Amino acid sequence: NAGVTQTPKFRILKIGQSMTLQCTQDMNHNYMYWYRQDPGMGLKLIYYSVGAGITDKGEVPNGYNVSRSTTEDFPLRLELAAPSQTSVYFCASSSWTSFHEQFFGPGTRLTVL
Amino acid sequence: AQSVTQLDSQVPVFEEAPVELRCNYSSSVSVYLFWYVQYPNQGLQLLLKYLSGSTLVKGINGFEAEFNKSQTSFHLRKPSVHISDTAEYFCAVRPGDGSRLTFGEGTQLTVNP
Repeated sequence: NAGVTQTPKFRILKIGQSMTLQCTQDMNHNYMYWYRQDPGMGLKLIYYSVGAGITDKGEVPNGYNVSRSTTEDFPLRLELAAPSQTSVYFCASSSWTSFHEQFFGPGTRLTVL
Repeated sequence: AQSVTQLDSQVPVFEEAPVELRCNYSSSVSVYLFWYVQYPNQGLQLLLKYLSGSTLVKGINGFEAEFNKSQTSFHLRKPSVHISDTAEYFCAVRPGDGSRLTFGEGTQLTVNP
């Protein structure tokens, strides 16, 4: 049971480039989440999904897109990278059967220069 | 909507001393409460959670927390800390009828020899 896996671990982008952060979970959780973590700011929810084919915006969705074609995968897309998107990104998943205790991936550290 | 306030951004303590990390929340509905720990360069992992029942909750690594509904607090405690407890600690709240967590801004616990 790998839990929640994220790739890549690190990435440097130039302004205006695009990329996709990958997230996969093998716990058959219906709910998945993307957060960004900035120093001293805690975690802010970008997007979340309550099941395959269903996504919704969180607190800070601007500049990001998501899709959920399968239960396991929840990729996060940055279309036109900006320095303000320099952050650490965490994917998480949960299930109502465990009272939505969220399980986190190891994170992706993204720098936009 | 919910909000979480962690009253101390940094808490330095000496090894084997007791520690308390403070967390207050606000919510107009019943909530579930969580404490997560983040070791350097890692994702978040659950330390403990309050769902219902006894207001004193025990978690991993000797930590415990007490839910105080009248004071809307969920403070985390450990009677004797170790160097290995050095990490960032996040308090989080979830409404009883939803899946989304709201995180506090985090408390950096540093245990010195």
